[in-house]
Amino acid sequence: QLQLQESGPGLVKPSETLSLTCTVSGGSISSSSYYWGWIRQPPGKGLEWIGSIYYSGSTYYNPSLKSRVTLSVDTSKNQFSLKLSSVTAADTAVYYCARVVVVVSSRFDPWGQGTLVTVSS
Amino acid sequence: QSVLTQPPSVSGAPGQRVTISCTGSSSNIGAGYDVHWYQQLPGTAPKLLIYANMNRPSGVPDRFSGSNSGTSASLAITGLQAEDEADYYCQSYDSSLSGSVFGGGTKLTVL
Repeated sequence: QLQLQESGPGLVKPSETLSLTCTVSGGSISSSSYYWGWIRQPPGKGLEWIGSIYYSGSTYYNPSLKSRVTLSVDTSKNQFSLKLSSVTAADTAVYYCARVVVVVSSRFDPWGQGTLVTVSS
Repeated sequence: QSVLTQPPSVSGAPGQRVTISCTGSSSNIGAGYDVHWYQQLPGTAPKLLIYANMNRPSGVPDRFSGSNSGTSASLAITGLQAEDEADYYCQSYDSSLSGSVFGGGTKLTVL
């Protein structure tokens, strides 16, 4: 059974870079059938797609975050990562990683349990 | 302001049927892009509930069903149970934004 687990600092200072890693177990991140994605949810609010990455390194990002987001993948560790630069309090959220089933309209399944990242000095 | 519009809340008594709407536009649902639905139980991660408009992943009860019409999609839940109390999100692809978009979410309360 495929499982995803987010990890990284729970507290980031304003203007710094948020860095998270998602570890995939129970399956290979190098599968040709899937992308791997990040979604976030501010406290008490809805979901926002951040971006997705293929095992080859091909990426696509939410245009509203594109200038600050970098996704990367490490197939040797079965992990993919998120970096979000110049963070502000508005970036405080639970960050989820998920497998992306890529069809015309991609879907996210399954999801990691999520990790809360707070931006504060 | 979400690209896909959902009612903030719906409610129903046990055993009843409720529907949750998801209204989009000609650049997403109206363009024929599939709609997916997620259920988020309190304090947990979202779980895929319906994919490609009307398909249920293994393990999802047939009390849950999805449908589309024009620029809107709907999630129907029949035989409402207390355990269905959760937030529900629709999701699709938007060609103008070139990416995945979510609805704002709907909180279902079982009375």
